[in-house]
Amino acid sequence: DTEVTQTPKHLVMGMTNKKSLKCEQHMGHRAMYWYKQKAKKPPELMFVYSYEKLSINESVPSRFSPECPNSSLLNLHLHALQPEDSALYLCASSQSGLAGGGTDTQYFGPGTRLTVL
Amino acid sequence: GEDVEQSLFLSVREGDSSVINCTYTDSSSTYLYWYKQEPGAGLQLLTYIFSNMDMKQDQRLTVLLNKKDKHLSLRIADTQTGDSAIYFCADLLLRGCNAGNMLTFGGGTRLMVKP
Repeated sequence: DTEVTQTPKHLVMGMTNKKSLKCEQHMGHRAMYWYKQKAKKPPELMFVYSYEKLSINESVPSRFSPECPNSSLLNLHLHALQPEDSALYLCASSQSGLAGGGTDTQYFGPGTRLTVL
Repeated sequence: GEDVEQSLFLSVREGDSSVINCTYTDSSSTYLYWYKQEPGAGLQLLTYIFSNMDMKQDQRLTVLLNKKDKHLSLRIADTQTGDSAIYFCADLLLRGCNAGNMLTFGGGTRLMVKP
């Protein structure tokens, strides 16, 4: 099973709202990722968690706050977003975020389509 | 930094072969991936190739890697209308112990299959 699940599928929020995106995998992967994808563009990496610790933050604004409660779950807390933050948010996981051995193939979830009004 | 490039668009007729090309710049690449994305969906892993291989075949898919020219291609045999999607190539960059690994994506090639 190579399934990564994401909820909700769609989310519409105002600029003053607080919401959260959720991601879950049960493949025993120890690295999890958040990407942002605008229309007709490739995914852009936002955050990487490796062994439940934040290892990469690609200079993402503080209105996006990631959280990794355990090795299977990854959340993205949203607060005071701007309309330009509207995008498809993709979660991915891989076996290990560590260097060396193996393909470390990333498996993606279906995404959450976020619209900020 | 690493740069991965693809042509934007490819149109083929159903039953023909499709060839999607990708170039990359990092000579220390370890694994190169092909992902497929249908409208409104996430990325589906199609296949990958290790950098010490020249070719990998998986049913209708053939990946060719020319490491000298840093050129990667994906050939889809007997292309079907269900193959219409955006195809991304991606290069895996190992950042070191505990640093997490990064995928650098190409811009994506939109494949249109005409009946």
